Amino acid sequence: AQTVTQSQPEMSVQEAETVTLSCTYDTSESNYYLFWYKQPPSRQMILVIRQEAYKQQNATENRFSVNFQKAAKSFSLKISDSQLGDTAMYFCARGTGNQFYFGTGTSLTVIP
Amino acid sequence: EAGVAQSPRYKIIEKRQSVAFWCNPISGHATLYWYQQILGQGPKLLIQFQNNGVVDDSQLPKDRFSAERLKGVDSTLKIQPAKLEDSAVYLCASSLGGLPEGYTFGSGTRLTVV
Repeated sequence: AQTVTQSQPEMSVQEAETVTLSCTYDTSESNYYLFWYKQPPSRQMILVIRQEAYKQQNATENRFSVNFQKAAKSFSLKISDSQLGDTAMYFCARGTGNQFYFGTGTSLTVIP
Repeated sequence: EAGVAQSPRYKIIEKRQSVAFWCNPISGHATLYWYQQILGQGPKLLIQFQNNGVVDDSQLPKDRFSAERLKGVDSTLKIQPAKLEDSAVYLCASSLGGLPEGYTFGSGTRLTVV
């Protein structure tokens, strides 16, 4: 199966706090890429962070970091110091070959 | 650099009518993708172009959907005739180097079939 599972349809966090979004995936391949995309109401999918499966070190991009557990096939996103502009849908995706396989998304609301 | 441009932003049509969406990728991006995003779901790939050739259209409902990318730049996605279940956001994306870099997405066209 080529599934990506996001088990949290909705989440909320207080401004300036930290929140973690969960993602698990299924694959039999050893070489692939993992991504988190943000989709605000404008609908444009914006790349937040990516991780190469052969790299053990967790990727970080400013306030965004991931916890990549390859054996567990888990790829969670941590957002530190949450800001109002972080309010959006967040999609986890696994990429192999030419294709992305997206999860169903987590709607994140940052509360002032 | 300019982003991926898509038009129209919204479209409402009746079932059995036809509709077309347009996409202008980032200049120099050889690879172009069309995705369908049904409400509450993640995007699903419909078709991938490399320059003006089709790389993958295995999930494109070819009895009603068609797409072309003339001259390896702009692309058009057409639905004829539309069904109620085609209501979705249609996202175009482009890429310079393929999957490792991720793709740049447009803002999509929201199609409502009534």
